[in-house]
Amino acid sequence: EVQLEESGGGLVQRGGSLRLSCAASGFTFSNYAMSWVRQAPGMGLEWVSGISGSGVNTYYADSVKGRFTVSRDNSKSSLFLQMNSLRGEDTAVYYCARRTFLYDSSGSPPHHWLDPWGQGTLVTVSS
Amino acid sequence: DIQLTQSPSFLSASVGDRVTVTCRASQGINTYLAWYQQKPGKAPKLLIYAASTLQSGVPSRFSGSTSGTEFILTISNLQPEDFATYYCQQFHSYPYTFGQGTKLEIK
Repeated sequence: EVQLEESGGGLVQRGGSLRLSCAASGFTFSNYAMSWVRQAPGMGLEWVSGISGSGVNTYYADSVKGRFTVSRDNSKSSLFLQMNSLRGEDTAVYYCARRTFLYDSSGSPPHHWLDPWGQGTLVTVSS
Repeated sequence: DIQLTQSPSFLSASVGDRVTVTCRASQGINTYLAWYQQKPGKAPKLLIYAASTLQSGVPSRFSGSTSGTEFILTISNLQPEDFATYYCQQFHSYPYTFGQGTKLEIK
């Protein structure tokens, strides 16, 4: 069974740091790009960061660029999110998700979607 | 960045109704769009990818369609378990933005 499990959330002071982890199982981790998505209390989903299967290419939302760093350890099937200079607006449930892909017959780039998702880990930034 | 505008933000309907949710992209994204359903306290669940392909295991009362930069999620014959919040997400280019969500409530 394909599974993702986040950990590392908790209460941190404004300006502090936290490192989230996501343990993957049930699939060949290195074959898939991964993403982090967050959801502030009572709000919608916000895509935060993505990383290619090799770990070479990383991507960030403008809201976290320069403060968050995504990485992965394919030998341990693990994804990480290092969060520095945390702000109140970073308070959210953070989900990791696998970017699944499908090529069709058109020769166009593959279709992507996020599935599965972990259960999420809550990060609370206090002032 | 590509913006996705979902409408309506809130939708009230009854069991057995047919409802539609619209997601408009700020530029062309081909069919690189997915739809998710989220229930309170739970992670989002994939419903549809490539704009119109139903994920395995998702009931056939869910369907997706597209016309240019407008994407539509249709739920026919609403069931009690369908009352949730729905999101679209584009995969044309990073950052992979989401729509702001549509909360479907029981009338």
